[in-house]
Amino acid sequence: GAVVSQHPSRVICKSGTSVKIECRSLDFQATTMFWYRQFPKQSLMLMATSNEGSKATYEQGVEKDKFLINHASLTLSTLTVTSAHPEDSSFYICSARELDRGDSPLHFGNGTRLTVT
Amino acid sequence: EDQVTQSPEALRLQEGESSSLNCSYTVSGLRGLFWYRQDPGKGPEFLFTLYSAGEEKEKERLKATLTKKESFLHITAPKPEDSATYLCAVQASGSARQLTFGSGTQLTVLP
Repeated sequence: GAVVSQHPSRVICKSGTSVKIECRSLDFQATTMFWYRQFPKQSLMLMATSNEGSKATYEQGVEKDKFLINHASLTLSTLTVTSAHPEDSSFYICSARELDRGDSPLHFGNGTRLTVT
Repeated sequence: EDQVTQSPEALRLQEGESSSLNCSYTVSGLRGLFWYRQDPGKGPEFLFTLYSAGEEKEKERLKATLTKKESFLHITAPKPEDSATYLCAVQASGSARQLTFGSGTQLTVLP
């Protein structure tokens, strides 16, 4: 089945620094990848849709200058949390569908636990 | 606005005690309903997709069903390894492939 790899799984950074999270589709190509954020005991909230070769689409309330998304190839999307603050601490998860299958299930990475001190 | 409500929030079962999880939804034209399992500290793992009312899917001890307003995830004779949070999500027609998730049901199966 489709596999999505996310790295790193955990990161601790100091307030004011930037953190980059990578999301790779290992055995399929994805023109679109999705970035979610999950708070403890809450559901997944879509942050942005990453589009290969074009700008990402951000959900309402998500600061695009703070959460920089780059989708440079059909197998890699990155999320950079810039000037991180403690309130950015959360569980970030990426997902993707196999190419050209609009109603096929999303496959998720294993998430990145970000802790900002 | 699409909405997904899951109940109960948490469920504790004894091993072998069958039960059902509920997912109620409102959506402007359902393209698909998805069930996922999420273990602590991990990303969701895909279980099922249901596309139309009356459809059923099975996998081991799990069976998902769909009506026009809700979906059930039936767990038959659960084992401790079935303990996880089960998430339901819907995709609306013309939604540009985005999913709306419920808040999940945290299932604990006691040995």
